[in-house]
Amino acid sequence: EIVLTQSPGTLSLSPGERATLSCRASQSVSSRYLAWYQQKPGQAPRLLIYGASSRATGIPDRFSGSGSGTDFTLTISRLEPEDFAVYYCQQYGSSPLFTFGPGTKVDIK
Amino acid sequence: EVQLVESGGGLVKPGRSLRLSCTASGFTFGDYAMSWFRQAPGKGLEWLGFIRRKGYGGTTEYAASVKGRFTISRDDSKSIAYLQMNSLKTEDTAVYYCTRDPVPYDYDSSGYFEYWGQGTLVTVSS
Repeated sequence: EIVLTQSPGTLSLSPGERATLSCRASQSVSSRYLAWYQQKPGQAPRLLIYGASSRATGIPDRFSGSGSGTDFTLTISRLEPEDFAVYYCQQYGSSPLFTFGPGTKVDIK
Repeated sequence: EVQLVESGGGLVKPGRSLRLSCTASGFTFGDYAMSWFRQAPGKGLEWLGFIRRKGYGGTTEYAASVKGRFTISRDDSKSIAYLQMNSLKTEDTAVYYCTRDPVPYDYDSSGYFEYWGQGTLVTVSS
């Protein structure tokens, strides 16, 4: 089973600042199968990035993804008030088919 | 507009069964694989299982944590995916979500999910 580790657990930043979130896999993950989601309280996850670096439909360009192999990064170039949320990385591969990281909470400093 | 609406959640006693439904609209349901996920209160996301199109036999894959207890099925005539949950445990308490694969006709998942339902809460407690 591929285990995803996300760091930091919590990121305290101010609006306008840059957020850099890390996702590390216990084994190599195909970039094609690495995704990032945003989740706000009481809401379903929202797809931000798929294929490690492709933005989903309607996602602002302040969100970007990068990485390969075992190390992936989600960057939010300038935090907007609506960006304060929990972010999960997710991989698709061998059983279990889909696994998620534990999440990084981005909160207001 | 693609919509997924889960229903059937509620309070159930340990050991009992419950069937969740995911009613889809806005797309040709039979063309897509469907998956179920859950999220325990205050916890992260967990994949439960996946059902392929009828064209691929409607075959299923499950997470080890629920294999043998949970069953996913689909009724393409009604555009509904089901999650049958048996022998429920207190640790099954969670919000349950259904999702749709992004690409039609594929045998394997594309590996990410753009469309999610709003979730339905299942509480397992005596």
